[in-house]
Amino acid sequence: EVQLVESGGGLVQPGGSLRLSCAASGIIFSSYDMHWVRQAAGKGLEWVSNIGRGGDTYYADSVKGRFTISRENAKNSLYLQMSNLEVGDTALYFCATARLTGGGIEYWGQGALVTVSS
Amino acid sequence: DIQMTQSPSSVSASIGDRVTITCRASQSITKWVIWYQQKAEKAPKLIMYSGSNLQPGVPSRFSGSGYGTEFTLTISNLQPEDFATYYCQQAKSFPITFGQGTRLEIK
Repeated sequence: EVQLVESGGGLVQPGGSLRLSCAASGIIFSSYDMHWVRQAAGKGLEWVSNIGRGGDTYYADSVKGRFTISRENAKNSLYLQMSNLEVGDTALYFCATARLTGGGIEYWGQGALVTVSS
Repeated sequence: DIQMTQSPSSVSASIGDRVTITCRASQSITKWVIWYQQKAEKAPKLIMYSGSNLQPGVPSRFSGSGYGTEFTLTISNLQPEDFATYYCQQAKSFPITFGQGTRLEIK
């Protein structure tokens, strides 16, 4: 069974930093491109970032320069370092795997809540 | 960036009905549209990939079609478990973008 478990969410002040982690099991982690997707309360899905199997990275314009995605294949782990956080970054952050073929985001964690507020 | 526009934003239907949700891309994405189902307080679930390919385990009453800029997700013979919010997503290029969602409610 595939499991993705996010951790590291919490309450942070505007301008602060937070690091999300995602522990993967049930998959050959190194074989998957990985995503972070977020969802503000009552709103739609917003893609945040992607890291490929080879380490290439992509970001949404809204987080570029502030967020950094990384992975540690030996630990089956994905990370999202978030800096200079804004109130608008408040959301549930999902860790997710890309589908191996055909596009799409296949496996999802349950999310980590990040609240940016003074 | 490629914009994805879904319609309608919400729809009411009855058990057994057929419902169609449309997604339009701001430029051609060939076949690269993905569809998700999301129920309240849950992570999204992949239901259709590459436009018309059913994700394993998803009932065959779900179908997808389209190419280029216009795509549809059709749910036939609606079942109680189908009432949820549906999102399209383009997988043609980064940044990945989602439609704003279509809420399917019980009439």
